[in-house]
Amino acid sequence: EAQVTQNPRYLITVTGKKLTVTCSQNMNHEYMSWYRQDPGLGLRQIYYSMNVEVTDKGDVPEGYKVSRKEKRNFPLILESPSPNQTSLYFCASRIEGGYNEQFFGPGTRLTVL
Amino acid sequence: DAKTTQPPSMDCAEGRAANLPCNHSTISGNEYVYWYRQIHSQGPQYIIHGLKNNETNEMASLIITEDRKSSTLILPHATLRDTAVYYCIVRVVVGTPLVFGKGTRLSVIA
Repeated sequence: EAQVTQNPRYLITVTGKKLTVTCSQNMNHEYMSWYRQDPGLGLRQIYYSMNVEVTDKGDVPEGYKVSRKEKRNFPLILESPSPNQTSLYFCASRIEGGYNEQFFGPGTRLTVL
Repeated sequence: DAKTTQPPSMDCAEGRAANLPCNHSTISGNEYVYWYRQIHSQGPQYIIHGLKNNETNEMASLIITEDRKSSTLILPHATLRDTAVYYCIVRVVVGTPLVFGKGTRLSVIA
């Protein structure tokens, strides 16, 4: 089944404790991205990647890192999480080029205390 | 990317057609109109897209005005499971992100 998976789905952590949210897709998509969703602010893009070893900042990249060493994986790294990073995070992927639909993962709900 | 304007909320009776409008008066010639929906904190789901012509798939129909300044997403027979936030997005095809606005919260009522 074609899908985008994220792990963990739920995470409660404390300020300053490094964490990684993994994202994997099995559709051989070039493009992958991360969004966060907050009440009243909607979905905002954090980082995106057009292909392996190519990443770019989205609208709200501060406090986040990403890497794209393999085509299928696009982990989101919070080196020193803070309470303002408490949010619902979505990973997404699509074929780059053309008018292709974007597939989203199920979301990761992160709480930073 | 062009900005879109959508009503914040709409109601629709179950079994009736839901018509969700979107205004994109500054759309440029190479921008497509996309519709996604998000059911209660799940990942957004693609519905349909179009450039100039009306489009239909198993989920919905998309009607784009001749001047392309507005469009309407039609769910022909809305069910309770169609209750969601619907996002209208315009973007060029290559190399640009999907930018989500606030969308329209559709409530389908039994």
